[in-house]
Amino acid sequence: DIQMTQSPSTLSASVGDRVTITCRASQSISSWLAWYQQKPGKAPKLLIYKASSLESGVPSRFSGSGSGTEFTLTISSLQPDDFATYYCQQYNSLWTFGQGTKVEIK
Amino acid sequence: QVQLVESGGGVVQPGGSLRLSCAASGFTFSSYGMHWVRQAPGKGLEWVAFIRYDGSNKYYADSVKGRFTISRDNSKNTLYLQMNSLRAEDTAVYYCAKESPVTTVFDYWGQGTLVTVSS
Repeated sequence: DIQMTQSPSTLSASVGDRVTITCRASQSISSWLAWYQQKPGKAPKLLIYKASSLESGVPSRFSGSGSGTEFTLTISSLQPDDFATYYCQQYNSLWTFGQGTKVEIK
Repeated sequence: QVQLVESGGGVVQPGGSLRLSCAASGFTFSSYGMHWVRQAPGKGLEWVAFIRYDGSNKYYADSVKGRFTISRDNSKNTLYLQMNSLRAEDTAVYYCAKESPVTTVFDYWGQGTLVTVSS
């Protein structure tokens, strides 16, 4: 089974900050990596797929990069609507989520 | 617009059974693979099961294999999850999710239904 590890688990930031979340896979997953955003009491929302492809309708301040075993999600300028929990997900072999990164207000 | 509406959650005793449903609309249900994903209270997301668009292949997480069965009725645009031998650790919000047309990620999710396993 492929394990996904995100860091940090919690991130405190201010509006306008550049934010980076890291996701590591226990083995190579090529570029089969997605990112989701989840707000309390709501279903997750797809942000990025294939490591760096932006889902339709997602603001361009979100970007993804990486391949193999190391990936990053970057929010270029944090907006009030972006305070949420973010999950990475591999889909190279079945599907596995990371444990999540909560982005909270500093 | 795509809509996924789960139902069937509730409180069940350990060892009991429950069947969840996910009613789909706004897209050609019979053309897409579908997933169940769960989230225990205060915890992260856990993929549970997947079924191909035509029901020909099914995959399960090790944690539910042999106890849960995913199925679909394309004539009714409905996805199911039969859950047997339920345990306390199965307590979670269960979401159904649609497969993206671009790749095998989840592009639409339902609002979730809560399953509580407790005596």
